Amino acid sequence: DAKTTQPTSMDCAEGRAANLPCNHSTISGNEYVYWYRQIHSQGPQYIIHGLKNNETNEMASLIITEDRKSSTLILPHATLRDTAVYYCIVRDRGGSNYKLTFGKGTLLTVNP
Amino acid sequence: EAQVTQNPRYLITVTGKKLTVTCSQNMNHEYMSWYRQDPGLGLRQIYYSMNVEVTDKGDVPEGYKVSRKEKRNFPLILESPSPNQTSLYFCASAGQGPDTQYFGPGTRLTVL
Repeated sequence: DAKTTQPTSMDCAEGRAANLPCNHSTISGNEYVYWYRQIHSQGPQYIIHGLKNNETNEMASLIITEDRKSSTLILPHATLRDTAVYYCIVRDRGGSNYKLTFGKGTLLTVNP
Repeated sequence: EAQVTQNPRYLITVTGKKLTVTCSQNMNHEYMSWYRQDPGLGLRQIYYSMNVEVTDKGDVPEGYKVSRKEKRNFPLILESPSPNQTSLYFCASAGQGPDTQYFGPGTRLTVL
């Protein structure tokens, strides 16, 4: 699976949009982009995933560039409860790899 | 309520004393998995199971055993725990593959 690169940490003001970038320049055509988050010492939580179209759900929006080499997770109105480590993961759903590999992620701190 | 439960949540034990951490899900999921999380090393997969009686190694399987005799349960067994297995353990489940996993609350294990 393609490797991802994320900033180590980011800050955001409460009520503002949080835009978390992820670089996956070696992504292949069958690989999906997944986002999870982990609030301190809790189990990770699935947020959203996509292949090439932009996706939106009740938690967030996922914007994937046209060349698919990068993506951005958007939390439209960040709250203090959104402070967490956010993981961007790439996986080929059609392959024989039945694992998700979590990297170091981005620590998002939402400030009052 | 859809959930993944783990027991115990906290455990302190001694080297060599066999232990089992239970994991159960009530969502009729096919896929289940175990992870460990250590500071600086992130989340690493220990074992996963695509279905009943089907298990496979993750990235760090040494020192662990699993079994999947029924769909809802996926216990993690440490036959002879050692101090380097002191960690935070998470169980997870998903519909059919690893893509959108629900995680349990975690089990904090200390081996003295």
